[in-house]
Amino acid sequence: DAKTTQPPSMDCAEGRAANLPCNHSTISGNEYVYWYRQIHSQGPQYIIHGLKNNETNEMASLIITEDRKSSTLILPHATLRDTAVYYCIVRALYLNRDDKIIFGKGTRLHILP
Amino acid sequence: SQTIHQWPATLVQPVGSPLSLECTVEGTSNPNLYWYRQAAGRGLQLLFYSVGIGQISSEVPQNLSASRPQDRQFILSSKKLLLSDSGFYLCAWEDRRGTEAFFGQGTRLTVV
Repeated sequence: DAKTTQPPSMDCAEGRAANLPCNHSTISGNEYVYWYRQIHSQGPQYIIHGLKNNETNEMASLIITEDRKSSTLILPHATLRDTAVYYCIVRALYLNRDDKIIFGKGTRLHILP
Repeated sequence: SQTIHQWPATLVQPVGSPLSLECTVEGTSNPNLYWYRQAAGRGLQLLFYSVGIGQISSEVPQNLSASRPQDRQFILSSKKLLLSDSGFYLCAWEDRRGTEAFFGQGTRLTVV
């Protein structure tokens, strides 16, 4: 019952910006957009989250559209180590008891040398 | 700083044998705790979720169970393993705000 839609796979050349889209047309006003990634044979790793303003940290940038129905995760200079499955998740902050982390199928990002 | 410990890293068990996987969290209190399973080539399936001691939410009916005997301890169990229980099991925790979840290194279980 993931609330997001992502392309199943994407390719990006090493050194270029990787732009990963996510649609979340049913997002509620109190729900944030979170991004995680899972490198092969490891547990998922938190990347970034945001509500409505664009966010940037040392790993990535998150661009959320004004209507909040979609967002884009940007890896500015992709490296081979960024090859992973990227998950976009929508959930509320300051959780209620039913607000669990549900992973969809994500986008498998291949960084090409 | 907070850390999460999950063991063992790998496990090979015969069909019909019991299972106990343990996860402990350090450096925080009253975390939300999770157990996920990932079958080979598949996505992350939420198995159990806990918001407190003795409070377990089961997401998928199956022959697995979970317990939280202490605030920072989460145990995944089975009385009799099936071949279909093979997979990569991940424990995770987050604080009450849900800002960020932290995952353990996982246990790769092979049922033979």
